[in-house]
Amino acid sequence: NAGVTQTPKFQVLKTGQSMTLQCAQDMNHEYMSWYRQDPGMGLRLIHYSVGAGITDQGEVPNGYNVSRSTTEDFPLRLLSAAPSQTSVYFCASSRTSGLTGELFFGEGSRLTVL
Amino acid sequence: EDQVTQSPEALRLQEGESSSLNCSYTVSGLRGLFWYRQDPGKGPEFLFTLYSAGEEKEKERLKATLTKKESFLHITAPKPEDSATYLCAASGAGSYQLTFGKGTKLSVIP
Repeated sequence: NAGVTQTPKFQVLKTGQSMTLQCAQDMNHEYMSWYRQDPGMGLRLIHYSVGAGITDQGEVPNGYNVSRSTTEDFPLRLLSAAPSQTSVYFCASSRTSGLTGELFFGEGSRLTVL
Repeated sequence: EDQVTQSPEALRLQEGESSSLNCSYTVSGLRGLFWYRQDPGKGPEFLFTLYSAGEEKEKERLKATLTKKESFLHITAPKPEDSATYLCAASGAGSYQLTFGKGTKLSVIP
């Protein structure tokens, strides 16, 4: 059972480039989300989804786009990368929307924007 | 605005030296208080959920407690393998969003 799988684990981008961070879960979880983690700050929610076809913004959505076409996949798109988006990104899921505090996290994707 | 504050930022303990980590929260209509453990280079791992004041949960050497304003993570006779960053998070009424604290980095020295 793989749990939550994120790819790539490491990525370096130049300012203005676009890319997609992939996230897949094999637990048939209803709720999926993306967080970013920066030094000296708590995890911050970027976008979340309570089911296929439904997405919504979190605390820091600007510069990011998401879609949820299947239950398993929840990709995060960076539209035009900026140095401020240098961070570690975590995808997380939970069984139902009502259990959004009991999250299963992926191992993270470390992004550097030059 | 919901807020979660953890203290101390870092804590060094000798193996076997018990202590507590603090999580103070200001959340409208608390739905749940959550503790996670995060090892370096890894994603957070869920530990506990607490729903109401007075509730306690235990797992091995860890015990989490909750009052109306704060939560404590008590570590009894810690071992080096307990070294990690411990994160606290809270969820308020009507929200899918968790507010995370900045974490406490625990180091247990043999």
